[in-house]
Amino acid sequence: EIVLTQSPGTLSLSPGERATLSCRASQSVSSTYFAWYQQKPGQAPRLLIYGASSRATGIPDRFSGSGSGTDFTLTISRLEPEDIAVYYCHQGGTFGQGTKVEIK
Amino acid sequence: QVQLVQSGAEVKKPGASMKVSCKASGYTFTSYAIHWVRQAPGQRLEWMGWINAGNGNTKYSQKFQGRVTITRDTSASTAYMELSSLRSEDTAMYYCGRGSGDFYYYAMDLWGQGTTVTVSS
Repeated sequence: EIVLTQSPGTLSLSPGERATLSCRASQSVSSTYFAWYQQKPGQAPRLLIYGASSRATGIPDRFSGSGSGTDFTLTISRLEPEDIAVYYCHQGGTFGQGTKVEIK
Repeated sequence: QVQLVQSGAEVKKPGASMKVSCKASGYTFTSYAIHWVRQAPGQRLEWMGWINAGNGNTKYSQKFQGRVTITRDTSASTAYMELSSLRSEDTAMYYCGRGSGDFYYYAMDLWGQGTTVTVSS
């Protein structure tokens, strides 16, 4: 079974700063099936990125995904206050443990 | 409007079963799949299983195999998730999500609002 490990656990940044979230897979995975979700407090998750690098419908272009094999990255180019959330990576039947993004 | 609407909150006794529904609207139900994902309080998302809404094929997480059954009613554009032999650790928010009917590995692009299930004696 594939394990997805996200880092850091929590990211505290100021508005306008760049956020870099990492997800490492325990074995090589297909980029086709790799996704990132955003979950705001009290809400259902929302798909941000699919196929490792494609933005889902309606997602602002400050969100971008990259990576392949075992290492994947979600980047928020300029952090906005509404980006406060937990971000999960996902592949197949496995989710990472999440990275919480806070505004400093 | 494209959406998934789930049934309301439930409170169950240990040992009982629960059945949550997920009604799809605004798209062709049978052209996609439905996943079920749960989230215990303060915990990560946990994938439970998937049903191809077109042909009814299912895939379950090994963790829930034997305890979970996912079905669908195409005439009602609704998917169901039944979990049996409930225990306190099953207390969680349960979500349905729309995925690809081709393979359960694809991402979920539409989510229901969630159903809170509490298991308590």
